[in-house]
Amino acid sequence: GAVVSQHPSWVICKSGTSVKIECRSLDFQATTMFWYRQFPKQSLMLMATSNEGSKATYEQGVEKDKFLINHASLTLSTLTVTSAHPEDSSFYICSARDIADTQYFGPGTRLTVL
Amino acid sequence: SQQGEEDPQALSIQEGENATMNCSYKTSINNLQWYRQNSGRGLVHLILIRSNEREKHSGRLRVTLDTSKKSSSLLITASRAADTASYFCATDAGGFKTIFGAGTRLFVKA
Repeated sequence: GAVVSQHPSWVICKSGTSVKIECRSLDFQATTMFWYRQFPKQSLMLMATSNEGSKATYEQGVEKDKFLINHASLTLSTLTVTSAHPEDSSFYICSARDIADTQYFGPGTRLTVL
Repeated sequence: SQQGEEDPQALSIQEGENATMNCSYKTSINNLQWYRQNSGRGLVHLILIRSNEREKHSGRLRVTLDTSKKSSSLLITASRAADTASYFCATDAGGFKTIFGAGTRLFVKA
């Protein structure tokens, strides 16, 4: 079946630095990818919809200048957490839809900001 | 914003018992899905039920959907310790977005 990968699987960074997380669809093209954030013991919160070749659509309350999304190709979307702070520590999960509208989720990236 | 609400928030049962989790949502949907997540891990897709379906089975899983009440239930029969995980419903309301419920944390005691 279709696979979505994320890199890195975990990252620890210092406060104030920026962190880039990659989401790749490995054997299918995805015009639309999604980024979710999950805090401990909570559900997944949709952050933004990433559209190939155009600007991402952010959910209410998500700062677009804080969470930069780039969907440069049909198989890659990146999420950059800029000037990360401890409150940005979370589990970030991406998903990608294939041509049949089936959604596949990545394994997640755990970000810890010190 | 979250669309789905689930109950119970947490459920503790003995191995061999059945576990039932419920999910309610607010708007019309195209389909509803159930996912499982082990602690700190990614999502595992369990089952998808379309808006024109009322019940679906997959192994020990049984999902029902009542669109008039905007609710769904997930039944896990003959539970095992390995079923211990968080379970989420997720709705697809069109517009390509999938919105997750709050989740139910299931603990199956051996």
